[in-house]
Amino acid sequence: NAGVMQNPRHLVRRRGQEARLRCSPMKGHSHVYWYRQLPEEGLKFMVYLQKENIIDESGMPKERFSAEFPKEGPSILRIQQVVRGDSAAYFCASSPRQLSSTDTQYFGPGTRLTVL
Amino acid sequence: QQQVKQSPQSLIVQKGGISIINCAYENTAFDYFPWYQQFPGKGPALLIAIRPDVSEKKEGRFTISFNKSAKQFSLHIMDSQPGDSATYFCAATNDYKLSFGAGTTVTVRA
Repeated sequence: NAGVMQNPRHLVRRRGQEARLRCSPMKGHSHVYWYRQLPEEGLKFMVYLQKENIIDESGMPKERFSAEFPKEGPSILRIQQVVRGDSAAYFCASSPRQLSSTDTQYFGPGTRLTVL
Repeated sequence: QQQVKQSPQSLIVQKGGISIINCAYENTAFDYFPWYQQFPGKGPALLIAIRPDVSEKKEGRFTISFNKSAKQFSLHIMDSQPGDSATYFCAATNDYKLSFGAGTTVTVRA
């Protein structure tokens, strides 16, 4: 039973390019959560999605960032016109239902984005 | 603003020693306090967790101590082993959003 899959594991982009990060949740999971980890900091919540719905995007930067979780295929976090400050590790987690506080979130291995 | 503050940033302990990591929070609405362990190149994995109505929880060599009145909690790693070398994050939540501390890198010397 594969865990949460993320690809690519490492992504290098030049300033101004687009970055697309993919997250395939665990089998049977239809809820996805994206977090960002800046250097020397803890993970910070970005967005919560169900299939075809954005439930909570309160942690998403207002510009250049978007996320989707289509009916078929992985969830995608898209960063347009990347800047050096976007360099970070991006993690997704998944769950079979909306989490309560005591439910376990299962994290993927992350995508490390480097912006040159 | 950071809702969970964690210290120290890093620590080195000899094999067999005790590692202690401290966290403090502000939001009294938090009702669950998990700890995550992260190895290089991997995602965080749940290690142990506690609810605020419990003052201590022990699982193997890992113990959480919780002080609700002080809004503080800590992780103790007893009999530290080289395989425990990792980054440890405390977190707090009252729904699906985890608020993480900044992390503590633990190095266990053989």
